[in-house]
Amino acid sequence: AQKVTQAQTEISVVEKEDVTLDCVYETRDTTYYLFWYKQPPSGELVFLIRRNSFDEQNEISGRYSWNFQKSTSSFNFTITASQVVDSAVYFCALSEPSNSGYALNFGKGTSLLVTP
Amino acid sequence: SAVISQKPSRDICQRGTSLTIQCQVDSQVTMMFWYRQQPGQSLTLIATANQGSEATYESGFVIDKFPISRPNLTFSTLTVSNLSPEDSSIYLCSVRRGIGTDTQYFGPGTRLTVL
Repeated sequence: AQKVTQAQTEISVVEKEDVTLDCVYETRDTTYYLFWYKQPPSGELVFLIRRNSFDEQNEISGRYSWNFQKSTSSFNFTITASQVVDSAVYFCALSEPSNSGYALNFGKGTSLLVTP
Repeated sequence: SAVISQKPSRDICQRGTSLTIQCQVDSQVTMMFWYRQQPGQSLTLIATANQGSEATYESGFVIDKFPISRPNLTFSTLTVSNLSPEDSSIYLCSVRRGIGTDTQYFGPGTRLTVL
């Protein structure tokens, strides 16, 4: 079963628009970690944020912000005033105790295209 | 953070052959993982590389097809055996210094094309 759902497959916005990428996760553990990664066209995976299950504070980093809501099992990512350089595939991932040693379980990703 | 290098960065292989991918980390890490990213898809965990013991494989991945070694805390190899075109993917090494709380970092990936 898919543990991380990113319902938006592709999003296209015009530069300077705000955009929110949705992430819904599923776990039975009380201790877990949520991540967002960016994969630009060059292919490398860029770490954006890690959040543990006990910290529901929202976080802002420049134009990026994250909204973690345990009540809805969501960890959404908002880019404010989007730029062309934000064009990439964004992955949400869940890390929970398992035989794999907390290995990341990824959503299918959301492809974001920002046009001038 | 961790600096991770992978060799080769890309390769084109013939059906039926094998490819061994090396992953080197700039410092000791507790956890090392291997992922596969098929074209246009998300990342799928192949296995957790355990130092000094057999790797822990995910469902759908077997040791005969994906043998893994991890001789120390900074190095691991993944071999993709008996290649078929369906193995054409990007293979990524990933590390974590601790077990649960740390960030997981990824290498640049190895792009494999099987003809």
